[in-house]
Amino acid sequence: GAGVSQTPSNKVTEKGKYVELRCDPISGHTALYWYRQSLGQGPEFLIYFQGTGAADDSGLPNDRFFAVRPEGSVSTLKIQRTERGDSAVYLCASSLNVNSPLHFGNGTRLTVT
Amino acid sequence: GENVEQHPSTLSVQEGDSAVIKCTYSDSASNYFPWYKQELGKRPQLIIDIRSNVGEKKDQRIAVTLNKTAKHFSLHITETQPEDSAVYFCAASTQGSGNTGKLIFGQGTTLQVKP
Repeated sequence: GAGVSQTPSNKVTEKGKYVELRCDPISGHTALYWYRQSLGQGPEFLIYFQGTGAADDSGLPNDRFFAVRPEGSVSTLKIQRTERGDSAVYLCASSLNVNSPLHFGNGTRLTVT
Repeated sequence: GENVEQHPSTLSVQEGDSAVIKCTYSDSASNYFPWYKQELGKRPQLIIDIRSNVGEKKDQRIAVTLNKTAKHFSLHITETQPEDSAVYFCAASTQGSGNTGKLIFGQGTTLQVKP
């Protein structure tokens, strides 16, 4: 079946601009996670949704980052006033529930120039 | 919060040899420990996982061991092949009611298998 889908695969933006990254989880998966992966590093947790609610947003680096999941399926990660340090691969993962393995998407490579 | 340390950062072996990657974790509440393989430019893919109620799990050439007392777990790959070359990540999380299941990852190990 279809895996976790992320769009766009690549995004280049200028410093100060606003970007939205989309994640379409595996159908039926109630848990959704956003991670950020910098070059040569492990994925770093950003935010976790259970259904429509952000149950844990402790990994968001600052208030420029925000994420929504209004209908409990597709999620959008929003970054305001982008900075060059935001450049990374943003990974989305979903799982059937909190007791199940996480399945990752291919990520969105964000480059802020 | 949880902290996961992974060693070594790079590992080079000859084809057919074994490879071992080690991780330690800090939070005694962690009860789920997966390993992911990530090839260049691709998504992390789950290769094996272990829960805290067992000490060892094996799947063909791959095995994982867990020592809860010492808070460390290891990945063992036997009879390595060139296609095993990739970056491997360990992770830890706390599953169960009231928890998030979020994974905290180690820094990764780049495994190179020389033909």
